[in-house]
Amino acid sequence: GNSVTQMEGPVTLSEEAFLTINCTYTATGYPSLFWYVQYPGEGLQLLLKATKADDKGSNKGFEATYRKETTSFHLEKGSVQVSDSAVYFCALSDGSYDKVIFGPGTSLSVIP
Amino acid sequence: GAVVSQHPSWVICKSGTSVKIECRSLDFQATTMFWYRQFPKQSLMLMATSNEGSKATYEQGVEKDKFLINHASLTLSTLTVTSAHPEDSSFYICSAPGRVSGDTQYFGPGTRLTVL
Repeated sequence: GNSVTQMEGPVTLSEEAFLTINCTYTATGYPSLFWYVQYPGEGLQLLLKATKADDKGSNKGFEATYRKETTSFHLEKGSVQVSDSAVYFCALSDGSYDKVIFGPGTSLSVIP
Repeated sequence: GAVVSQHPSWVICKSGTSVKIECRSLDFQATTMFWYRQFPKQSLMLMATSNEGSKATYEQGVEKDKFLINHASLTLSTLTVTSAHPEDSSFYICSAPGRVSGDTQYFGPGTRLTVL
């Protein structure tokens, strides 16, 4: 079945450091891929998405590229801020059913 | 953008009682909604798919008699945790898909259930 694997962390970075959170997936067909973010005490928010191979999703300085050949969707940001501290979930959606399968989440702490 | 609400946002109940959680799509219709649960510091696990006008579809390992789902209308799905026990304490989150297949899901803010 469909599944998502991502580095589990926790990840601790200094402000302005470069961020990479790896995500790989297993799926039949051509899923849509997402990154969701959950800030402390808040609900899930969509951060970015990509719906087909080679698409690049981007938002708030974060970006991720849908790589079909490596079945990956790694999240990157060039310079993190303290306000980026949150849990990040990689996810995929099977278009035929629309349900979302989440990875285990990666906790990010950015220190000043 | 599309908004999904949940009620209540938190609930504390005694063991053995039943608790109903509502999920509403506020400005769009949803023939399908999804229910997830999230344990502390863990990922979201899909519990079931709620279908308007038909029975819910449960994921493997989820007790359908324990977690009753009713999709009463195109804007409302309810999850009832029957005879709740402390191990049912969790964060329950619902979502509804966007209008286009493969589009993003819109998530509710979640309901924190604590069973004493």
